[in-house]
Amino acid sequence: DIQMTQSPSSLSASVGGRVTITCRASQTISKSLNWYQQKVGKAPKVLIYGASGLQGGVPSRFRGSGSGTDFTLTISSLQPEDSATYYCQQSYTFPVTFGQGTRLEIK
Amino acid sequence: QVHLVQSGAEVKKPGASVKISCKALGYTFTNSAMYWVRQAPGQRPECMGWINTGTGDTKYSQKFQGRVSITRDTSASTAYMELSSLRPEDTAVYSCARDWYSSGWRTMDVWGQGTTVIVSS
Repeated sequence: DIQMTQSPSSLSASVGGRVTITCRASQTISKSLNWYQQKVGKAPKVLIYGASGLQGGVPSRFRGSGSGTDFTLTISSLQPEDSATYYCQQSYTFPVTFGQGTRLEIK
Repeated sequence: QVHLVQSGAEVKKPGASVKISCKALGYTFTNSAMYWVRQAPGQRPECMGWINTGTGDTKYSQKFQGRVSITRDTSASTAYMELSSLRPEDTAVYSCARDWYSSGWRTMDVWGQGTTVIVSS
């Protein structure tokens, strides 16, 4: 299975600020990388598909980039509702696999 | 509106089996495949398997091979996941998720509400 590793595991930032989360795949996955947001007690919600595509209805302050093995999710103009855990997921090969998650706290 | 509605929470003894349903609403069931994903408390989501809802073809993660069975009933627009030989470490939230292509890239775009399974003696 392809291993996905995220960093950091957790971070804290202020309203209006910007954060970057990184995700590394154990082998090349082209741009088959999705980002999900999960709030407590809820199912994951897809934010970014294909490394940089913005899912419909997702604010443009969420931005994804990368290809191959290294990817980033940047969230700008942080809002209180961005407090959540963020997961990267590779869809290059079965089984799809997820990173361990990054917990974001908004101060 | 597209929804996946799952069956309710389960409490099982070690060694038992559990079967969870996932009913698709608001779209043509056989047009999209379905994943089953589980998430133990504080852990990352974990793919258990996948079913082509049109043909019934399945793929299973090696971790669950031999213990999991995914089926579907097209007349009921419902997918099922059965996990056998349950052990306490199978305690988790189990979810179905639609396999969808956004601009050619594969995602899990709609998720069920999750079914909590507790395995305890």
